[in-house]
Amino acid sequence: DTGVSQNPRHKITKRGQNVTFRCDPISEHNRLYWYRQTLGQGPEFLTYFQNEAQLEKSRLLSDRFSAERPKGSFSTLEIQRTEQGDSAMYLCASSSFTLNSGNTIYFGEGSWLTVV
Amino acid sequence: GQNIDQPTEMTATEGAIVQINCTYQTSGFNGLFWYQQHAGEAPTFLSYNVLDGLEEKGRFSSFLSRSKGYSYLLLKELQMKDSASYLCAVRDRVDSSYKLIFGSGTRLLVRP
Repeated sequence: DTGVSQNPRHKITKRGQNVTFRCDPISEHNRLYWYRQTLGQGPEFLTYFQNEAQLEKSRLLSDRFSAERPKGSFSTLEIQRTEQGDSAMYLCASSSFTLNSGNTIYFGEGSWLTVV
Repeated sequence: GQNIDQPTEMTATEGAIVQINCTYQTSGFNGLFWYQQHAGEAPTFLSYNVLDGLEEKGRFSSFLSRSKGYSYLLLKELQMKDSASYLCAVRDRVDSSYKLIFGSGTRLLVRP
């Protein structure tokens, strides 16, 4: 079990550029989540996949954000025309239901985005 | 809607016991989770409560009262490495995504 893996870990980009983050979930997990976290706040839900289907998107996810999970394994989160307000840590998480854990969500190490 | 409240900051002494409270309001309830997050790192899972009562796991325990919409995380024999943010999160019963809604976190500072 290698855990949830995210890359790049850090990204600095100029305003208006596009960025893409990748997430590799724990291999047997069918649920995948993207969250965003800013300093002093808890993670905020962005979107959810069950296998390859994107089943829920937060109102926080503007049209500039798109997420995919094409084969039900890894996922990508793309932000187009970045704005300074997009600066945050983007967290990927995955889960799978078991009786003991009750679908505990496990997080990756996050991808820090700084828009200058 | 959902609302989760926890204190912003707490300070405690190495070797002591600290209790971090969390109150929540949800339209339904399907579990409460506590995560630890060190500065600049991802949240790591600590505990899960779905029934009333106390769950003990080493130095950490978590308590839940569903009727009161209340939970606490109890940390015993505090160590310097316990300085971190502690996040309370709830899952709504009617939410098929099983996503978690997080509070803003409680920043715990452990002093020598």
